[in-house]
Amino acid sequence: GQSLEQPSEVTAVEGAIVQINCTYQTSGFYGLSWYQQHDGGAPTFLSYNALDGLEETGRFSSFLSRSDSYGYLLLQELQMKDSASYFCAVNTGGFKTIFGAGTRLFVKA
Amino acid sequence: ETGVTQSPTHLIKTRGQQVTLRCSSQSGHNTVSWYQQALGQGPQFIFQYYREEENGRGNFPPRFSGLQFPNYSSELNVNALELDDSALYLCASSNSDRSRDEQYFGPGTRLTVT
Repeated sequence: GQSLEQPSEVTAVEGAIVQINCTYQTSGFYGLSWYQQHDGGAPTFLSYNALDGLEETGRFSSFLSRSDSYGYLLLQELQMKDSASYFCAVNTGGFKTIFGAGTRLFVKA
Repeated sequence: ETGVTQSPTHLIKTRGQQVTLRCSSQSGHNTVSWYQQALGQGPQFIFQYYREEENGRGNFPPRFSGLQFPNYSSELNVNALELDDSALYLCASSNSDRSRDEQYFGPGTRLTVT
């Protein structure tokens, strides 16, 4: 089967750095995306990695290791507004994207 | 640039009925994907349309069907509704001509089946 594994919950303090890991097992792989979803809101795109390495976008960075079927999202200088669910998603090719179950991030003051 | 819109926002239906959900893609996007999201879960891929043709489908039965129109708006139809169909239905538009898999989601339709 195809699966994406990510922690269900992470708690961190405002101003800190947090890493959300994602391991995947899929029949095909074109790239790994990350999305943020606030309660009651729509998922919003954060980043996409098709090749190994680190992609940086402001306070958010995303990493991919294709050989390890592993990636992570790094959030720096955490703010209260970063409290949300974060989903990793794999583009498996064949015009299909599979999402993980999500990691709920709680940012404490 | 207009974002992705969906209608209706909320819907209550009875088991066995049929429902049609609508999505208007973001300007310049030629691809729309539909997802089902149960509470506390990630979005589950239903199918994708590219230039009015279905070109990918997830593990959903044939009673889930869709259409994409020349203006790239889209519909999701669900027949013979079941209680387990209660969920948030999201559409996401993208431009398949680009290399990045960057999808723009609409606010969703909350469907409740009683």
